[in-house]
Amino acid sequence: DTAVSQTPKYLVTQMGNDKSIKCEQNLGHDTMYWYKQDSKKFLKIMFSYNNKELIINETVPNRFSPKSPDKAHLNLHINSLELGDSAVYFCASSQVGTPGEIHNYGYTFGSGTRLTVV
Amino acid sequence: AQKVTQAQTEISVVEKEDVTLDCVYETRDTTYYLFWYKQPPSGELVFLIRRNSFDEQNEISGRYSWNFQKSTSSFNFTITASQVVDSAVYFCALSEWNFNKFYFGSGTKLNVKP
Repeated sequence: DTAVSQTPKYLVTQMGNDKSIKCEQNLGHDTMYWYKQDSKKFLKIMFSYNNKELIINETVPNRFSPKSPDKAHLNLHINSLELGDSAVYFCASSQVGTPGEIHNYGYTFGSGTRLTVV
Repeated sequence: AQKVTQAQTEISVVEKEDVTLDCVYETRDTTYYLFWYKQPPSGELVFLIRRNSFDEQNEISGRYSWNFQKSTSSFNFTITASQVVDSAVYFCALSEWNFNKFYFGSGTKLNVKP
């Protein structure tokens, strides 16, 4: 079974359209994330949700709106797509620990969604 | 502020050579995690290793080994007897204790030629 699954894997759309990328994790993790990887391969966090609550929003345009109906799902909706939004978007999940605990917490990425805006 | 530096943008080696990928990090936290991920041409991010800041013991897994040195804030990755299938972009990353912030280096592209 896939631990973190994203759909679709590829998405080609025209400028100005609205699109969504879905993410689901079956690991029982508390926290989910969206990352963007640009054409130079640089990976940067966009959002982080913990138990359906937003905890990180890294200066992402408000055209991007994450939605977490439950802690196993974090979807990314993008309005009015622009050429610069073309990138690979990765979903990830993790289990949060407490300071000093030495546990093998996981941090797992989905396989990515390649978004191309034309 | 946290930061991860992978100074080697691209490395090319011939199959069976050993290669070391460098990673230097900055953090003020006492509890943190370090990671290495592999991104093959197919694009997925493959987890290789996670190391917490309290464990400086080096690790070996098959042809892969990792050297964690807090004194120099480095977490280097060595591939012994490289193979063509090792060709990929390798990312070093640093996270806070609770994974709320996760910082990637810029990646090192490894080309292994037959």
